[in-house]
Amino acid sequence: ETGVTQSPTHLIKTRGQQVTLRCSSQSGHNTVSWYQQALGQGPQFIFQYYREEENGRGNFPPRFSGLQFPNYSSELNVNALELDDSALYLCASSLGGASYNEQFFGPGTRLTVL
Amino acid sequence: AQSVTQPDIHITVSEGASLELRCNYSYGATPYLFWYVQSPGQGLQLLLKYFSGDTLVQGIKGFEAEFKRSQSSFNLRKPSVHWSDAAEYFCAVASSGTYKYIFGTGTRLKVLA
Repeated sequence: ETGVTQSPTHLIKTRGQQVTLRCSSQSGHNTVSWYQQALGQGPQFIFQYYREEENGRGNFPPRFSGLQFPNYSSELNVNALELDDSALYLCASSLGGASYNEQFFGPGTRLTVL
Repeated sequence: AQSVTQPDIHITVSEGASLELRCNYSYGATPYLFWYVQSPGQGLQLLLKYFSGDTLVQGIKGFEAEFKRSQSSFNLRKPSVHWSDAAEYFCAVASSGTYKYIFGTGTRLKVLA
C-alpha cells in the first residue's frame, strides 16, 4: 500500500509568480485535504476535495485553488504569490470527507517565496 | 468559533521520565479530538483520536490521552519517554458536521539522554 506522496519536496518562487503543488492520495482514498503550515504554527485548512468536487474551504483567498483528478490525485495552485505564502503545504487523504475519517498526511512541500 | 490551545511551546524531559502535553479546546458540542506527531521533514502521523465513549484513549507508541469535558482538555501522556519521541506534537479538533481539522500551534518536545 502506497502512502500519500507530494511533489516537489522544495520549491523557490518569487513574488507574483504562480505555483502548482501535487499530491497523490493513498490507495483507495477518494478525498484530499490541503493545509498550510507556516513556520512555528499548526496546519491551517485550505480546502478539501471529495470525488473531484470542492467539499469545503477554509479562510484562504481565491488565488488558492485546487483540482482533484479521476484517480483522486490533487493539485494546489497558488497565483500571485506573496511573501506570506512561504510555508509547508501538506496534503492529507482519507476515505470520505467526514471528520471522523482518518486523514493520512504526506511529507509536505516546502515553498519559499522571495 | 472552534479553537485549540497548546499552552506549552517547548517541553524538555529526560529519557525515561513521564510526559504530559496539554491541549485545551473551545467548541460548543462534543468534539472529535486528535493528537498528531510531526518529526523533522515528515508529515503528520496520527497518535490517537477520541470520538466518544471511554474518555481514556490509548494510541500508538505507548501514548494515551484523557478527554475531560469539564476542563475542555485532551492532554497527551506517556509514562516513560524515549529519545525517539523528540518531535513536534499537535492537538486538533473537528466536529461531526464538518470536514476540517483545527490544529493547535504545537508543542516541541526535546528529550535529554
